Amino acid sequence: DGGITQSPKYLFRKEGQNVTLSCEQNLNHDAMYWYRQDPGQGLRLIYYSQIVNDFQKGDIAEGYSVSREKKESFPLTVTSAQKNPTAFYLCASTLFMGGEAFFGQGTRLTVV
Amino acid sequence: GQQLNQSPQSMFIQEGEDVSMNCTSSSIFNTWLWYKQDPGEGPVLLIALYKAGELTSNGRLTAQFGITRKDSFLNISASIPSDVGIYFCAGTSNAGNNRKLIWGLGTSLAVNP
Repeated sequence: DGGITQSPKYLFRKEGQNVTLSCEQNLNHDAMYWYRQDPGQGLRLIYYSQIVNDFQKGDIAEGYSVSREKKESFPLTVTSAQKNPTAFYLCASTLFMGGEAFFGQGTRLTVV
Repeated sequence: GQQLNQSPQSMFIQEGEDVSMNCTSSSIFNTWLWYKQDPGEGPVLLIALYKAGELTSNGRLTAQFGITRKDSFLNISASIPSDVGIYFCAGTSNAGNNRKLIWGLGTSLAVNP
């Protein structure tokens, strides 16, 4: 079955450590996205990529980094520069920019 | 970033009641999408709308693309407990060359059995 997979579902890290969240899709979609979700704040765009080897900052990119070396993969690194990293992170993909988004099941990151 | 105005922010209803929520934008939109998010999961697409005036149903759900192209509505008929969750609208506008999806803040629905 085609879909988008995020791992792990739950992640705990100590403050000051970098952590990488995985996102893989087998939908053959060109565009991929990372969103952050906090209670009552909806979905806020961190980074997006329209094509392999290209990515753009979203609305809240500070303290995050991404790579897009393969069409199927769009990992997100939460760096120690992110002031408040504890949140629910969602990865999504679309066939083209602005198309119907398909989401992974999310990764809940807790930094202690 | 730009956001859609989605209302109401939350609803608490009795099982069997009908539900209505809407999204408005300040600019013309080409696409309206409605999603549902269950607790701890990613949003799932419910209905996609591509044409002004379009009315589309998915079971007990009905959504409409407003004629002005600046709004959209989602109705749920005869609500059941599994309708509980957060409903998001999203869409793309003509503004600029960047066709990123723009999102509403969500409507949280609670259903009392």
